[in-house]
Amino acid sequence: GAVVSQHPSWVICKSGTSVKIECRSLDFQATTMFWYRQFPKQSLMLMATSNEGSKATYEQGVEKDKFLINHASLTLSTLTVTSAHPEDSSFYICSGTGGINSPLHFGNGTRLTVT
Amino acid sequence: GDSVTQMEGPVTLSEEAFLTINCTYTATGYPSLFWYVQYPGEGLQLLLKATKADDKGSNKGFEATYRKETTSFHLEKGSVQVSDSAVYFCALSDHSGGSNYKLTFGKGTLLTVNP
Repeated sequence: GAVVSQHPSWVICKSGTSVKIECRSLDFQATTMFWYRQFPKQSLMLMATSNEGSKATYEQGVEKDKFLINHASLTLSTLTVTSAHPEDSSFYICSGTGGINSPLHFGNGTRLTVT
Repeated sequence: GDSVTQMEGPVTLSEEAFLTINCTYTATGYPSLFWYVQYPGEGLQLLLKATKADDKGSNKGFEATYRKETTSFHLEKGSVQVSDSAVYFCALSDHSGGSNYKLTFGKGTLLTVNP
């Protein structure tokens, strides 16, 4: 079946540094990519929606300058957490779809720990 | 806004036991309802879905019926297996505004099935 490959699966970084998370659609063209964040024992919260070639649409309360999303091609979307702080420690998940009538495929998630 | 409330876990059952995981929702429009499953070390996978009232979604022995009158979508399985051990997420997609895949998730329920 269709696969979204998300890397890294886990990362530890120091406070103030930036971290990039990649999601690649391996056998379909992801025209739309969604980025979620999950805190322990909480729901997956949608952070932003990105369409290939367009600027991402961020959910209320999500800082666009802190969580940079790039979706420059139909097979790659990236989320960069800039100037990370311990409160950014979370589980980040991407999901992609080829269109409104196409299935939604999730990556395996990235566990980010900021020390 | 939209919200999903699902039964808090963890749930621990013996093999062949009956499973119910409750899920209720609130939505401004007429949502589609989903159950996703996340097996250890893997991404979320769609388990089943229903798009209108009284629809029953089913897959791998799991079932859930879209009950508009009680705003519920409870997940059931008659006889669970050890391989069903996973985290189960109830979710909805509100079609108002055309965001077909903008999902709102519950917190997830961890199911452990013992042999």
